[in-house]
Amino acid sequence: GEDVEQSLFLSVREGDSSVINCTYTDSSSTYLYWYKQEPGAGLQLLTYIFSNMDMKQDQRLTVLLNKKDKHLSLRIADTQTGDSAIYFCAGTSGNTGKLIFGQGTTLQVKP
Amino acid sequence: EAQVTQNPRYLITVTGKKLTVTCSQNMNHEYMSWYRQDPGLGLRQIYYSMNVEVTDKGDVPEGYKVSRKEKRNFPLILESPSPNQTSLYFCASSPDRVSNQPQHFGDGTRLSIL
Repeated sequence: GEDVEQSLFLSVREGDSSVINCTYTDSSSTYLYWYKQEPGAGLQLLTYIFSNMDMKQDQRLTVLLNKKDKHLSLRIADTQTGDSAIYFCAGTSGNTGKLIFGQGTTLQVKP
Repeated sequence: EAQVTQNPRYLITVTGKKLTVTCSQNMNHEYMSWYRQDPGLGLRQIYYSMNVEVTDKGDVPEGYKVSRKEKRNFPLILESPSPNQTSLYFCASSPDRVSNQPQHFGDGTRLSIL
């Protein structure tokens, strides 16, 4: 069945770049998404990429999509302590609109 | 302001006592859904609704009911809650399922069933 996999934890120093990786099995998703969840808060849509694009840049965020390898990544440039959160990648599955989420990657930013 | 509103945000209750978590959106979205978030499992869909009076099961529907009598509201009902339903719940909405527009999420409801 459909599956989305992420590494569980990433630690970086403030000012460095962070790269969070995601692999997926269902290639029918029209869009692929990155959501951010801060402690005690809901899910905030960070960015998304249309499936026929290879890259999307939005200020400090860069999304790369490799459809052949079914690999999605989120790069955060100049990572700040305020970027500490759990990051989820997600895609839609089938024709029900259901989002399939990865397990989430906890990003820890050290001062 | 466009938003998805869930109530309550937190609830501690006991096994077997019926409860309802409300969800309301002000964006005239057709599609609404409920997810639960559990550690190490990410988010899993419970139920979804493509429009008024149209609901269907997601991946983990057991123990839950929903209704969609009005476009803006999509309550989640636990008729007889059990401890394995202790979780963080999110309601989401999007214009429709076909366009795959991003889903907007509420702030979450943390349920503890003792």
